Amino acid sequence: SQQGEEDPQALSIQEGENATMNCSYKTSINNLQWYRQNSGRGLVHLILIRSNEREKHSGRLRVTLDTSKKSSSLLITASRAADTASYFCATDAHNNAGNMLTFGGGTRLMVKP
Amino acid sequence: EAQVTQNPRYLITVTGKKLTVTCSQNMNHEYMSWYRQDPGLGLRQIYYSMNVEVTDKGDVPEGYKVSRKEKRNFPLILESPSPNQTSLYFCASSSPGSEQYFGPGTRLTVT
Repeated sequence: SQQGEEDPQALSIQEGENATMNCSYKTSINNLQWYRQNSGRGLVHLILIRSNEREKHSGRLRVTLDTSKKSSSLLITASRAADTASYFCATDAHNNAGNMLTFGGGTRLMVKP
Repeated sequence: EAQVTQNPRYLITVTGKKLTVTCSQNMNHEYMSWYRQDPGLGLRQIYYSMNVEVTDKGDVPEGYKVSRKEKRNFPLILESPSPNQTSLYFCASSSPGSEQYFGPGTRLTVT
């Protein structure tokens, strides 16, 4: 079952623009994580935000979390062609065991030079 | 260098021929997991392990086995592969409550 659902499924922007991706989930969580995947490669962790946090920054990345709406957003500012990748949110649910993450379907981001 | 390694990276095999995909991590992580990634279905967890000799089913365990005899290794075993197990497989490891570190992936084709 997919806990997280990303929106949009695909996003195409020009270099320099900002990219915003959204994630919705269904159950209570311990934390929510964002990952990046270049085509056919392994996932790379970007940011982990805990359920008691509302916003987190890392370089050009900004993640927000609204537990009342069960949603999160990932903002990439001043995008670059190298940001082209798929981005996934993953939730670590409250009643979870074994650090089991549930991934959404991902947003495919294309940044045109 | 902290990493998760998987072997092989690519494998083409035939239905019914037993295979093992190895996974090893050098970060002393307690948790390890196997995922499969399919178009339109995202990543789905197959099995996970919370520590040595402790394994449990994820969302899609049918047709797979795992073992965790040592902390660093978590092999994925397909006793009798079928074409619907053609997929991209990822191993991951983590400490409790922390981000997961993923291997580079194993692309498996079962004909």
